[in-house]
Amino acid sequence: KAGVTQTPRYLIKTRGQQVTLSCSPISGHRSVSWYQQTPGQGLQFLFEYFSETQRNKGNFPGRFSGRQFSNSRSEMNVSTLELGDSALYLCASSNRGGWGSPLHFGNGTRLTVT
Amino acid sequence: ELKVEQNPLFLSMQEGKNYTIYCNYSTTSDRLYWYRQDPGKSLESLFVLLSNGAVKQEGRLMASLDTKARLSTLHITAAVHDLSATYFCAVTNTGNQFYFGTGTSLTVIP
Repeated sequence: KAGVTQTPRYLIKTRGQQVTLSCSPISGHRSVSWYQQTPGQGLQFLFEYFSETQRNKGNFPGRFSGRQFSNSRSEMNVSTLELGDSALYLCASSNRGGWGSPLHFGNGTRLTVT
Repeated sequence: ELKVEQNPLFLSMQEGKNYTIYCNYSTTSDRLYWYRQDPGKSLESLFVLLSNGAVKQEGRLMASLDTKARLSTLHITAAVHDLSATYFCAVTNTGNQFYFGTGTSLTVIP
């Protein structure tokens, strides 16, 4: 069974630009969550989508947005990039219907903002 | 908001020694997860603990859960270099949202 796939693996952008990250979950998983990981803040929850609906949202500004498609693939968009957005962005999928199901993480997209 | 604290944040230990990582959380939850992250890599699920008193073991790692104390432990037995990584615990609320601890960076020294 293929794991969670994130593209691209690395991105370099300049301040003020926007970026779109993509995530393909494990087949059959309908829940996709996004996390930002930085050395100083650890793992911070961005949002979760389930069946194309945003179920939970973390404490991030509106520049961070996401969506989920009917095939459960998800995209995350960050507009007007700031230096502080440099981070590893992790996508995770789960079988949300299964109580106690762990998150399965992708390899992440390393975003560098210059 | 559910808070999850781990200690220690950094742990340097000699090969062959035993040690324990602690994970405390702030509100009731009976689902506790442990993950491992190698440098530059993603998070890998290690254990899922779903009830009070649950204990899971895999190799040199053993995890336990005390829901009354809101505490989970990850015990390392006779550490080896391959265990060097960052370990995260996470709990979920009733809405199944995951809250991660700060992580414990473990370095095993030969």
